[in-house]
Amino acid sequence: DAGVTQSPTHLIKTRGQQVTLRCSPISGHKSVSWYQQVLGQGPQFIFQYYEKEERGRGNFPDRFSARQFPNYSSELNVNALLLGDSALYLCASSPVAGVTGELFFGEGSRLTVL
Amino acid sequence: QKEVEQDPGPLSVPEGAIVSLNCTYSNSAFQYFMWYRQYSRKGPELLMYTYSSGNKEDGRFTAQVDKSSKYISLFIRDSQPSDSATYLCAMSAYNFNKFYFGSGTKLNVKP
Repeated sequence: DAGVTQSPTHLIKTRGQQVTLRCSPISGHKSVSWYQQVLGQGPQFIFQYYEKEERGRGNFPDRFSARQFPNYSSELNVNALLLGDSALYLCASSPVAGVTGELFFGEGSRLTVL
Repeated sequence: QKEVEQDPGPLSVPEGAIVSLNCTYSNSAFQYFMWYRQYSRKGPELLMYTYSSGNKEDGRFTAQVDKSSKYISLFIRDSQPSDSATYLCAMSAYNFNKFYFGSGTKLNVKP
């Protein structure tokens, strides 16, 4: 069975640009969450979506936005990139939000902002 | 104060040793606790998932939760070089909307 898939795996952007990251959850999973992991730190929560609705938002500026599609895939958008946005962006899926706590992560999209 | 505190290590042990990894937390609402293993430049892999206080065993891994002390542990028996990775603890309150992660402990198991 395919796990959580993310694209692109690596990308390089310059300050001020915009980036879109994509995620496909495990088949049957309806909840998708996004996390940012800066080198040497643990993942930090950005968003959770369930059934196309935002269920939670972390302490990130409005430059960060996301959405979930009818097929439960998701996109994370970051506008006006800053150097500090350089990180590994992780997508995680879970079967049903608010029922079980297991998060299954993808391999991440590594963003470098120059 | 961070929600979750985790000793960053690195922790270096010989092959076959018992490894103890720990996290402390401040939010008494946390009820769901997970341990992840993360290899370099990879996504975290779920190892253990426990609810509330108590112990849970899975093969060489044992997770313990002491909610009264706000302290969780992961024990690895008969550690192997392939266990060398960063171990992350994570926890959530009842609604699962948001998980809080520790900063990770880097483990090196020497052959």
